[in-house]
Order: sequence, then structure tokens, then C-alpha cells
Amino acid sequence: DAGVIQSPRHEVTEMGQEVTLRCKPISGHNSLFWYRQTMMRGLELLIYFNNNVPIDDSGMPEDRFSAKMPNASFSTLKIQPSEPRDSAVYFCASSKRGYNTGELFFGEGSRLTVL
Amino acid sequence: EDQVTQSPEALRLQEGESSSLNCSYTVSGLRGLFWYRQDPGKGPEFLFTLYSAGEEKEKERLKATLTKKESFLHITAPKPEDSATYLCAVTTNAGKSTFGDGTTLTVKP
Repeated sequence: DAGVIQSPRHEVTEMGQEVTLRCKPISGHNSLFWYRQTMMRGLELLIYFNNNVPIDDSGMPEDRFSAKMPNASFSTLKIQPSEPRDSAVYFCASSKRGYNTGELFFGEGSRLTVL
Repeated sequence: EDQVTQSPEALRLQEGESSSLNCSYTVSGLRGLFWYRQDPGKGPEFLFTLYSAGEEKEKERLKATLTKKESFLHITAPKPEDSATYLCAVTTNAGKSTFGDGTTLTVKP
């Protein structure tokens, strides 16, 4: 079975540019999560969706960040405009049930570098 | 505020030298405690779920246990391929998940 698929795996951009990260969850999984990982702050939950509906976006840093899930098989995380402090590895994860059980299946991450 | 603290930050073992990793937590309404393994350049990989004090789960050389305040990940006779960062996470009844900072395990042959 295919796991969670993220793209791009690596992104290098300049400050002020728009960045779009993409995620395809595991088929049949009802919940989707976006996490950010840095050395300083570890793994932080940004937002999670149940059945394509955003449930908790309290971890989204500021208005520059937005996330969408137009259907059960696709989600995007957008940063506009990007800043150097956004440099991190962004993970997408999915879960079988329609709520946050904690049993998450992670993608391999998108490493973002903002110059 | 929910808190998860893992110790030690780093652990170096010789192959075959058993040890334990600790995860202590303070949360309101624990739904579950989870252990993940993360290899460099990869996403975390789910290992175990523990729901109540006294519960234990095993997988190969790993055994996870849970009390009301902490969880231990016991590694018996580790091998070099067990080298990774081990993450602990808790999820509350409100649906909030909090990850610890992890313990980086290195097993020398």
C-alpha cells in the first residue's frame, strides 16, 4: 500500500516568495495533519482536518500560513510570503479514524529552506 | 498546559547493552500515549499505543510500559539498526497531540 505522499521533498526559495506544499494521504484515512519540525521546537502540530474539514488550526503560526483540503485525497499547505524563520521540515500525516487518535502515518516530509 | 518530557536527550549503547528511555507527561485527560521511531531524513514511524496505566506492548526488542505519570521504552539487547530518534507523544480527550523532543539512540557494534 502506498503511504502518505508529499511533494516537493526539498524546496529552496527566497524570502517573500510563495511556497506550496502538497500531500496525498493514505486512501481511506479520514484525518489529515500538517506538522512542522525544527531543532529548536521539535514537532509542532499546525492544523488537522477530519473528513476534509479543518478542526484545529490553532498551531498555524500566523496569517501567512493557510491550508486546504479540497477532497479526501489531497491537501496543500501554503506560505505567502515566506520568511527565513519558516525554514523547517514540514510533515503531513494521516489517520484511519475521524478524530485524532494519535496513531499517525507520516510522509517523508518536505524540507523548506527560505533564504 | 500539556507537557511531554523525554530523557535522556541522547543515549549511546554498545550492541547487546539493554537500557530504557523515559517519557514523562502532564496532560489533562489522557486519551493515549504513543511511541514513534524516526530515522534521519524520514518521517516518524508509529510503534506503539498505550491507553491505561499498567499496559505493556512489545515488538521485537522493544517493550513500552505506561504509568500514570510516565512511560518507558525498554530496549533489550539492541542492535545497530535500532539506532534512531525515539519520539513520545500524548493525545488528550480534547484531541490535542503533543510530542516530546525525542531521545536519539546510537547503538555501536
